[in-house]
Amino acid sequence: QKEVEQNSGPLSVPEGAIASLNCTYSDRVSQSFFWYRQYSGKSPELIMSIYSNGDKEDGRFTAQLNKASQYVSLLIRDSQPSDSATYLCAAGKYNFNKFYFGSGTKLNVKP
Amino acid sequence: GAGVSQTPSNKVTEKGKYVELRCDPISGHTALYWYRQSLGQGPEFLIYFQGTGAADDSGLPNDRFFAVRPEGSVSTLKIQRTERGDSAVYLCASSQTGGSGELFFGEGSRLTVL
Repeated sequence: QKEVEQNSGPLSVPEGAIASLNCTYSDRVSQSFFWYRQYSGKSPELIMSIYSNGDKEDGRFTAQLNKASQYVSLLIRDSQPSDSATYLCAAGKYNFNKFYFGSGTKLNVKP
Repeated sequence: GAGVSQTPSNKVTEKGKYVELRCDPISGHTALYWYRQSLGQGPEFLIYFQGTGAADDSGLPNDRFFAVRPEGSVSTLKIQRTERGDSAVYLCASSQTGGSGELFFGEGSRLTVL
């Protein structure tokens, strides 16, 4: 079983819609969770981090964490074509020195 | 520098050769990570440095892989007797505290083993 699981997609949404990306993790000791965006041929860049149960909002992005269900999600409101990328979910354990990444979900936002 | 710098950006080598990949982290970042990313996959953890020491090298796939960070800044990932299966993008990332999880990635070194 992988540490972090994501649906590979592609997820296609029309411009202006809400994109919902999901991730599950296997190890209950994971304490920190991150969403990275990776454009094709580029390196990952951090867009959101979340450490506590509940929602965390930053502009058009909302990260949601449910530790009981071991589930993390990312909502992108008012999706734009420039949001088209692969979104990587990552989880960090208690010692914070190793971060496991999912295989990523490819998002296509159609104009 | 302003960001994490990795060289070379592309490296093509023959099976059995030795390869070195270099990473120059963001100035002041004490934590440095090496990841490997194959096509269609997420980054796979290789090794983590806190300062000069390798705090966790459990992700190195075998003893052909070795990494150093002698002065706590620049790091070099060394791969001996390269195999075709080593072909991937090798990503370096640095972090300010070593525990926040906010990794800043370089653009990667694409290694192709023929």
